[in-house]
Amino acid sequence: GESVGLHLPTLSVQEGDNSIINCAYSNSASDYFIWYKQESGKGPQFIIDIRSNMDKRQGQRVTVLLNKTVKHLSLQIAATQPGDSAVYFCAENRAGNQFYFGTGTSLTVIP
Amino acid sequence: NAGVTQTPKFQVLKTGQSMTLQCAQDMNHEYMSWYRQDPGMGLRLIHYSVGAGITDQGEVPNGYNVSRSTTEDFPLRLLSAAPSQTSVYFCASSVDRGQSPLHFGNGTRLTVT
Repeated sequence: GESVGLHLPTLSVQEGDNSIINCAYSNSASDYFIWYKQESGKGPQFIIDIRSNMDKRQGQRVTVLLNKTVKHLSLQIAATQPGDSAVYFCAENRAGNQFYFGTGTSLTVIP
Repeated sequence: NAGVTQTPKFQVLKTGQSMTLQCAQDMNHEYMSWYRQDPGMGLRLIHYSVGAGITDQGEVPNGYNVSRSTTEDFPLRLLSAAPSQTSVYFCASSVDRGQSPLHFGNGTRLTVT
C-alpha cells in the first residue's frame, strides 16, 4: 500500500501472477479517484478512474475497487507482465477541486 | 497527437538565476496545471489555470509565476532559483478541473546548485 515516507512501498510479483496495489485515501468526501502508472524518467500515465457512486470498475487487465467505508482504493492487474513494472499511485479529488496524490508503490515483475 | 509537451527535459541553474519551463498541449484542454514531484512525497500543485487569461495558486506557489495567454501554452517561471526548488516538474492538462483525468507531460528535471 501507499504511505508517506522516504521509501516507496514495494511489491514484487512473478510474471503471469495477479498484482494488487493498495491506496488509503484521506478525505471521506472525495468523490473521484484515479490510478496512474509512472515509468522511470516519464510522466504519470492514466490507467483507470472511478467515481464514488461506484464500487468497482474494470478496464483492460485492470480493475479498481473502491471501499468508501474504510477509505480504501485498490488496483488489481491481471496476468502481470514485465512492462507493468513501474510506480503506481492514486489520486483523489473532492467536488472538482485539486487532486491529491499518494506517494506510490513500486511494482517489480520478475520474469 | 503529441499530448502535453514539456521543455527542457533537464536544466541546471545556479542559485538566483531565473528561467522558464515551457508547457504546451494540443488537446484543446481548458485546464492546465503545474506540479512538482519530490522523493517521498506525492505530486504537489504549484499553479493552475482554468482557461486563457485565468490563473490561480495551488498548494506550493511561492517562488513561481505563471501566465496563460493562449489555451495551448502554460509556462512556469522561476523568479530566483533556490536549492529547495530542485525537483522534477510536471505539466498536466485536462478537459476540466477535477472531474476528468489529468494528462501529464514527461517532466523537466531541475537542479539548483
